[in-house]
Amino acid sequence: DAMVIQNPRYQVTQFGKPVTLSCSQTLNHNVMYWYQQKSSQAPKLLFHYYDKDFNNEADTPDNFQSRRPNTSFCFLDIRSPGLGDAAMYLCATSRSGTSGRGGANVLTFGAGSRLTVL
Amino acid sequence: KQEVTQIPAALSVPEGENLVLNCSFTDSAIYNLQWFRQDPGKGLTSLLLIQSSQREQTSGRLNASLDKSSGRSTLYIAASQPGDSATYLCAARDSNYQLIWGAGTKLIIKP
Repeated sequence: DAMVIQNPRYQVTQFGKPVTLSCSQTLNHNVMYWYQQKSSQAPKLLFHYYDKDFNNEADTPDNFQSRRPNTSFCFLDIRSPGLGDAAMYLCATSRSGTSGRGGANVLTFGAGSRLTVL
Repeated sequence: KQEVTQIPAALSVPEGENLVLNCSFTDSAIYNLQWFRQDPGKGLTSLLLIQSSQREQTSGRLNASLDKSSGRSTLYIAASQPGDSATYLCAARDSNYQLIWGAGTKLIIKP
């Protein structure tokens, strides 16, 4: 089945130790997103790629970086995790197009990567 | 600035009841509105997407409606089951094409 796969599902790191989370998709969607979600809160968009174009949200800390080496893969790098970065990180994909028609703009999420910072 | 609100934050109902979840948005200039389901510790699953030109969408026991003039969307769940227990989030795509999220309603269906 076509899907969005995130690895690892659970990541424990020490304060300040870099972490990389990965996301792969078999949907051939051109848009990929990284969200941060803390307990009982709505997802917060960190950045997204529209094809190869990188779009950073204005309030995304510099501590967070992203790479998209090809259509199928996207990485989230946290350079120096702090206690406040402990959260669920969600990857999502969508296909751009006229709003909603033919499934365009429907987001497909991965299962998430839960980050714990000690 | 678009704001999306979901009230109540939590809801508990007996199995078998029909129920309605609410989503309000402040700016009627939206492209579409989506409803998602999130199980504990998991990612989100898209349930329904309603385009701005549509009034409702249906999938199985779920029916989502959209009333842009009143800034409201509802998700109707018929004949609720314990497996419907989850957090339900709505998100509106605003005039800047940004997805604005509600904080969700945590639904518990009691057997």
